[in-house]
Formats: sequence, C-alpha cells, structure tokens
Amino acid sequence: DQQVKQNSPSLSVQEGRISILNCDYTNSMFDYFLWYKKYPAEGPTFLISISSIKDKNEDGRFTVFLNKSAKHLSLHIVPSQPGDSAVYFCAASGRGSNYKLTFGKGTLLTVNP
Amino acid sequence: DVKVTQSSRYLVKRTGEKVFLECVQDMDHENMFWYRQDPGLGLRLIYFSYDVKMKEKGDIPEGYSVSREKKERFSLILESASTNQTSMYLCASSSGQFNQPQHFGDGTRLSIL
Repeated sequence: DQQVKQNSPSLSVQEGRISILNCDYTNSMFDYFLWYKKYPAEGPTFLISISSIKDKNEDGRFTVFLNKSAKHLSLHIVPSQPGDSAVYFCAASGRGSNYKLTFGKGTLLTVNP
Repeated sequence: DVKVTQSSRYLVKRTGEKVFLECVQDMDHENMFWYRQDPGLGLRLIYFSYDVKMKEKGDIPEGYSVSREKKERFSLILESASTNQTSMYLCASSSGQFNQPQHFGDGTRLSIL
C-alpha cells in the first residue's frame, strides 16, 4: 500500500516558468512533510519542509503548500532554472513513526532553456 | 555543515560474498538509516537505528543486517550477496528532535555479479 504518491513520473517546463510538483498521501497520521531533490549519482538533498500546523512554507524560489483536507501537498518552483532539473521526492512522517520517512517514487523535472 | 559519508561510491562484488557498506556522520545525530533506491520504486527503508546498538527493521530487511557500535557509524551488511541486491544504497542521519529532516550521503552503487 503506497502511502505517499507522486502520480506524475515526469514534468517538463520552460526556463523562467513555474514548476508545480504534486504529492498525495493517505495516512492521516502524517504531520510532517518534506521535499528532496536528487541529481543522478548523488544522494537526495533536503529542500523544504512543512508541518501540518501550517498550510504554506516559503524558502526563496521554493514554496510548499499543504492541503490537509485533501491530503495533498505541492512544491512550487518560481522561476524555474535549468539547474533545477532533477528527481524530486516527496516524503512524510508522523507521530508514532519513530522518525521514519515514507517516500514517494519521485518526479523527474526537466527545465528546458 | 551537515556531512554524511559513505565509504565507497561504487562497489562490485560476487554472489555469495559478505558485503559491508559503511556510513559515518559528523553531526552527532541520534538516528541513522539505510535505504535502497531502485528505478520506479523510489527510496525503500532497509533498517534504521535510533541509538547506539539499537536497530529496527524497515520495509525490506530480508537479506540484510546492520551494526551500530558507535554513534557516528552505521554499517549495512549483506550476509550473502545476491544479484537482486544490485542497487543504489543510501545512508541518512537525523537529529533525535521532533520534525527534523534526514540528511543523506552520496550513495554507494553496488553491483552483484
């Protein structure tokens, strides 16, 4: 049973435009959500997180939105840059998970110059 | 700055060998994790440890064991390597405080021939 789903395996956008990556979850115990970026042959890099007490968190070009009623979160990248091309993983954890993260399968973002 | 170091970037071993993957973190983190990443499957948790000599099974522990004798070091052991254990292995660590991100090493690409 996949508790964190990223339904789009890939996304392609033009440089300078907005990239929107989506993530859905099923476990109502999740209360902390993260986004990671991964380049080939490197480990995932932590990007941004959000706690369930908030519905938005912003860090520079990256904004994460959380819709608890829909069990949905999204990552917005504005403006997109070619260096943002990578696989993006959504992850979640919750009380009782003992610090474990549950990851989605990832979305490959390609930003075209 | 956060640093998680995995001992090898690339490793080639033979079927039936006992394989050791080493991970060291310098952030004095309580929690350490081992994942494997396979195409289309995302990151799957093998084992994790929340304290020295403590360990818990993740989602796919079969064929693996772990050792944590010191706080900064977490080892993954393939008792008798098989070809289906060919994968990218990722180590991560996190603080024991609530809602903290995991920080990853650069991974070990392990091939079992």
